[in-house]
Amino acid sequence: DAKTTQPNSMESNEEEPVHLPCNHSTISGTDYIHWYRQLPSQGPEYVIHGLTSNVNNRMASLAIAEDRKSSTLILHRATLRDAAVYYCILRDARNRDDKIIFGKGTRLHILP
Amino acid sequence: NAGVTQTPKFQVLKTGQSMTLQCAQDMNHEYMSWYRQDPGMGLRLIHYSVGAGITDQGEVPNGYNVSRSTTEDFPLRLLSAAPSQTSVYFCASSLTSSVNTEAFFGQGTRLTVV
Repeated sequence: DAKTTQPNSMESNEEEPVHLPCNHSTISGTDYIHWYRQLPSQGPEYVIHGLTSNVNNRMASLAIAEDRKSSTLILHRATLRDAAVYYCILRDARNRDDKIIFGKGTRLHILP
Repeated sequence: NAGVTQTPKFQVLKTGQSMTLQCAQDMNHEYMSWYRQDPGMGLRLIHYSVGAGITDQGEVPNGYNVSRSTTEDFPLRLLSAAPSQTSVYFCASSLTSSVNTEAFFGQGTRLTVV
């Protein structure tokens, strides 16, 4: 299975942009990059996903390196509510029943 | 839509007792799964189902049984609870198992086995 590497924790100031990195040097051409986050005492929630091109939605942006060996989740203006564990996950489109396998993620602390 | 509903939210069991964690979704999703999360760790997949009547094992299936008789429900059964099964359990569903779909998670069931 292709794996991802994320920093254990990061800090950011409220109302500033946050860039959460993810390395996936062994990614295959059919791996989609997914991000989920888990707020305290809640279940995970979907954030964004992409294959090759950068993606934007109402929650965040996903910037994917040209060689696809890394990606960055961008929160444009962090709020206290964005304090959570962020998981970067690869999902292989070749697998008919591909499962979501979580790593340990990055714990994001937001400073007021 | 209620989304993914898990019951109960909290449960304390004695070693050797059995119980069923309930999970229901009202989004007509084909794919459902169960995870457990231990302190300071990520989620680990227990069992999953790609549709009614079909189930399969995940990363940590031992000690747990599942069945999927309807699209809406995916109960997780502990036949003989052990302290090692103390954890927070999350149920998830998605429209299909396609990598282009997002998963929706329940709020979790916190289980303590004493």
